[in-house]
Amino acid sequence: AQKVTQAQTEISVVEKEDVTLDCVYETRDTTYYLFWYKQPPSGELVFLIRRNSFDEQNEISGRYSWNFQKSTSSFNFTITASQVVDSAVYFCAFSPLNTGNQFYFGTGTSLTVIP
Amino acid sequence: DVKVTQSSRYLVKRTGEKVFLECVQDMDHENMFWYRQDPGLGLRLIYFSYDVKMKEKGDIPEGYSVSREKKERFSLILESASTNQTSMYLCASSQVFLGNTEAFFGQGTRLTVV
Repeated sequence: AQKVTQAQTEISVVEKEDVTLDCVYETRDTTYYLFWYKQPPSGELVFLIRRNSFDEQNEISGRYSWNFQKSTSSFNFTITASQVVDSAVYFCAFSPLNTGNQFYFGTGTSLTVIP
Repeated sequence: DVKVTQSSRYLVKRTGEKVFLECVQDMDHENMFWYRQDPGLGLRLIYFSYDVKMKEKGDIPEGYSVSREKKERFSLILESASTNQTSMYLCASSQVFLGNTEAFFGQGTRLTVV
């Protein structure tokens, strides 16, 4: 069975602090994809990153970085120098290959950045 | 710019009513999905479709049905609305291309059943 765990339900940080959002997944599949989405107060989920299981390189995009470690089944997301606009709910998702592109979502982490 | 459009942002319906939630995408995507989002439970898949007239049950299909008569449109139907179906409903679409691609989401429909 596939499962995604985001143990942090809510996080509050002061602006300019760094924050890491944890994501752990469970699977027996060898080929799969991992995603992060941001859901601002407006409600629409915004795609942030896609990573396949063969690519363990960390990725950096501006203030965002992602650390994928297959050995610990984790795909963590770090925001550097957080800003108020980063306040949102963040979802980690897992999608096994050849399943009609089904996604399994974690329960989300609500991030509040305090000015 | 890619777009998934849900017909309503907010909807209030009475118990027992038949409710239609409509979703349209303009990206010619093969896959379409309906999710339900509840606090503390994340997103749960209700139904998905990988082609016109094709549908597959997700994790929580009970009390729902779907229709996909055209590639761009995927409808979620609540046959007889109940209060426990009060929720945020999210539609998404994705293409099939070199592995699993990201899904694009609509703005959501917040349904209240009274």
